[in-house]
Amino acid sequence: GAGVSQSPRYKVAKRGQDVALRCDPISGHVSLFWYQQALGQGPEFLTYFQNEAQLDKSGLPSDRFFAERPEGSVSTLKIQRTQQEDSAVYLCASSSDRVGQPQHFGDGTRLSIL
Amino acid sequence: AQTVTQSQPEMSVQEAETVTLSCTYDTSESDYYLFWYKQPPSRQMILVIRQEAYKQQNATENRFSVNFQKAAKSFSLKISDSQLGDAAMYFCAEAGTASKLTFGTGTRLQVTL
Repeated sequence: GAGVSQSPRYKVAKRGQDVALRCDPISGHVSLFWYQQALGQGPEFLTYFQNEAQLDKSGLPSDRFFAERPEGSVSTLKIQRTQQEDSAVYLCASSSDRVGQPQHFGDGTRLSIL
Repeated sequence: AQTVTQSQPEMSVQEAETVTLSCTYDTSESDYYLFWYKQPPSRQMILVIRQEAYKQQNATENRFSVNFQKAAKSFSLKISDSQLGDAAMYFCAEAGTASKLTFGTGTRLQVTL
């Protein structure tokens, strides 16, 4: 595709519900990243995939957060038993395989937990 | 651990004037990359400029340039001939060999007529 596509753009869920956020990276991009951006803050790293391998999940805040990229393309970030503190914008980015290459971001999913 | 600090929460510049946004960073890596991203209200992070730490020459992209002071761990962004469309949040970010970005807290830039 022409750019990184994320869906849904907005998601409202009740506390305790499970949610799934989708990211479709730029075609051919090996690396995929998820970030969480709280209101008024800079994005914070959650997890990183190289193809289908999840190489770094050190930023996931709890075991309620789970990410996958089974075929090395589309990725899904799942949050189980959502809490109010999970409310944030979730950004996905992709890049080519070379270290230091710029990451290209999607428009993000704004998640609101009621 | 890497840290990025942006000490200016808000800046204002008149159209056609020049403004400089400050950024300092700290990293234990010898090989790293620095970026400025722009985030308009639409939320999409847009790459403004990229600097490779091993290069002494400051990066430039049209009206955007950086002042990279490696010893001082400083990476400021200069916007020349500011335009209304430059109004946005600007984030400084650093990436080491692990590739993940560490962002600052951002500077909101206002452009006035």
